[in-house]
Amino acid sequence: EPEVTQTPSHQVTQMGQEVILRCVPISNHLYFYWYRQILGQKVEFLVSFYNNEISEKSEIFDDQFSVERPDGSNFTLKIRSTKLEDSAMYFCASSEARANTEAFFGQGTRLTVV
Amino acid sequence: GENVEQHPSTLSVQEGDSAVIKCTYSDSASNYFPWYKQELGKRPQLIIDIRSNVGEKKDQRIAVTLNKTAKHFSLHITETQPEDSAVYFCAAADFGNEKLTFGTGTRLTIIP
Repeated sequence: EPEVTQTPSHQVTQMGQEVILRCVPISNHLYFYWYRQILGQKVEFLVSFYNNEISEKSEIFDDQFSVERPDGSNFTLKIRSTKLEDSAMYFCASSEARANTEAFFGQGTRLTVV
Repeated sequence: GENVEQHPSTLSVQEGDSAVIKCTYSDSASNYFPWYKQELGKRPQLIIDIRSNVGEKKDQRIAVTLNKTAKHFSLHITETQPEDSAVYFCAAADFGNEKLTFGTGTRLTIIP
């Protein structure tokens, strides 16, 4: 069964450093998403991406965040200058169509900012 | 924007009994309601979903009901088993936006 894959599984970074989280969505999917989950809390939407541009973003997704699809397979989330409160599990997801169809989640990247 | 409330936050059930988790949503435009199961340290996985043109959907031991008028939907798990222990999240989405809005989660524990 096709899967969304994310790398790395765990990233530790110092406050103020840049991090890039990587995702390979399912190959025939057209919509890509980043969500985050602070430990013990609910999953929160960050951004959606379609047709090589951001289609929607939340208020969490400020100027420190950016997304990119650098080639035909990868989808990345960059945090420019990490803060302690960015520590969370970051999930990439993809779907064939818009948000009211099944979204498949990756296994997540646990980001720890120290 | 959409707001999804979920209850209870924790639920303990004897093995073999039924479990019910309830969610309410605020945006009447929402038309898609998935349920995700998340085991400890793992990815959320879709277990069942329902669209607003349907009032109930069943898949083996799992069922979801939707009341559009009251804006609430529920997950029902019958004949619970130890492997049903996990955190369950409800979510809502509508065709007009690109995101799933999740509830706060229910930690379900099945007591052998």
